[in-house]
Order: sequence, then structure tokens, then C-alpha cells
Amino acid sequence: DTGVSQDPRHKITKRGQNVTFRCDPISEHNRLYWYRQTLGQGPEFLTYFQNEAQLEKSRLLSDRFSAERPKGSFSTLEIQRTEQGDSAMYLCASSADYGDFYEQYFGPGTRLTVT
Amino acid sequence: AQTVTQSQPEMSVQEAETVTLSCTYDTSESDYYLFWYKQPPSRQMILVIRQEAYKQQNATENRFSVNFQKAAKSFSLKISDSQLGDAAMYFCAYRAAQGGSEKLVFGKGTKLTVNP
Repeated sequence: DTGVSQDPRHKITKRGQNVTFRCDPISEHNRLYWYRQTLGQGPEFLTYFQNEAQLEKSRLLSDRFSAERPKGSFSTLEIQRTEQGDSAMYLCASSADYGDFYEQYFGPGTRLTVT
Repeated sequence: AQTVTQSQPEMSVQEAETVTLSCTYDTSESDYYLFWYKQPPSRQMILVIRQEAYKQQNATENRFSVNFQKAAKSFSLKISDSQLGDAAMYFCAYRAAQGGSEKLVFGKGTKLTVNP
């Protein structure tokens, strides 16, 4: 297994369009996280899944954002009616539910530019 | 809400020298985890070192060590014998202990430059 993968790596879209990102976690990991990182800032938590259940959502996840993990494997993050303020790096991470601190392994991110 | 503050936007160090990156945090919890993550340019974030709040002993991973001061809510990272490959953004992060929120709360980061 080569780690967490994200697709696409870069996305340029026009304001008002919908975009969808995909995250494939490490195969044996049942926990999956989405974060958003804007320029000059640390990552900010968006949402978290344990298997297919979405257990925690940030207030940053407005009504235009939706995340799914239908079969407890890969996850998608959709942004509807994109705004320029949505321009950011979207990071996915996964972790297993063994061990004492559930280390989160991060993917390379999807960089979104809204023009 | 928990917050993490990194007061040094940028730091530089000479190769083979030692550098310390600062981090303070705020929480009302007594049990939690603290982490330092490294994000090299255009590469993914990786965990450098972690500290469990209930452990008094400071964590060490090869050239990386922390100074954890629980009462002061301080968690600094010391990099010894700095190498060119250490150049990256470094993020301090907080996470609640098991049973609490699993989200990581990050600071704004410190950009470390290593000069040859």
C-alpha cells in the first residue's frame, strides 16, 4: 500500500461550478478525515468518518459542502456553487482504530483554485 | 475550544546546528495528545513526534525531541544536527484523548530554512 491518495491533485474551476474530490485511505484504515488548508495557515478540520458513518462535522462545513464515504472505503468531498473563498488545499487523512493515539496519515492534497 | 499558537512564522538554522520551534496551546482538558508535523514543499504532511499529556517524560525521536511543559501549556520542538532535508513547514497540533474529538487542531506553522 502506497499511502493515502487524493484525486485530482489540482483543480481550477469557475465560481459557481460544482467540484468533487476523491480520497482513498490506506486500505486497513477505518477512520477518514478531511481538512482544509489556506495559504499561510495550518490545516482546519472539516469532517471525520468512522467506516461509513460521518461522526463529526465542523462549522466550516457549510451547506454547500457535503462529504460521503458510502462503503467505508474511499470518500468524496463535494463543493457546490464554489466561491473564491473556497480556494485552498483540501487534505485527506486516515487512521486505524488500533494503537494508542490513532496516528493520522495524510495524503498529498487537492489544490482548488476558484476563478 | 482548544487553540494552538506558533509565534514564530519563520526560523532559520545553519546545517548541523540546533534549532527550537515554539508552540503553546490552550485547553481545559487534563489528558490529550500533542504532535509536531512536518510539511515539506509540495509534499504531504508527516508526523515527526508525539507526546501524551499524561507522560512526564519528554518524547524523543532520533534528532527530534520535545520540551513539554504541561503547567505552562508549552510544547517546543528541538531539532539537533539540522540537515538540509529538515527544511519544511512545521505544524504543532493538539488532539483530545481517546473518547473525545478526533480532530487535530493545528497552529499556523513555522517555516524552517536550513542554510548550508
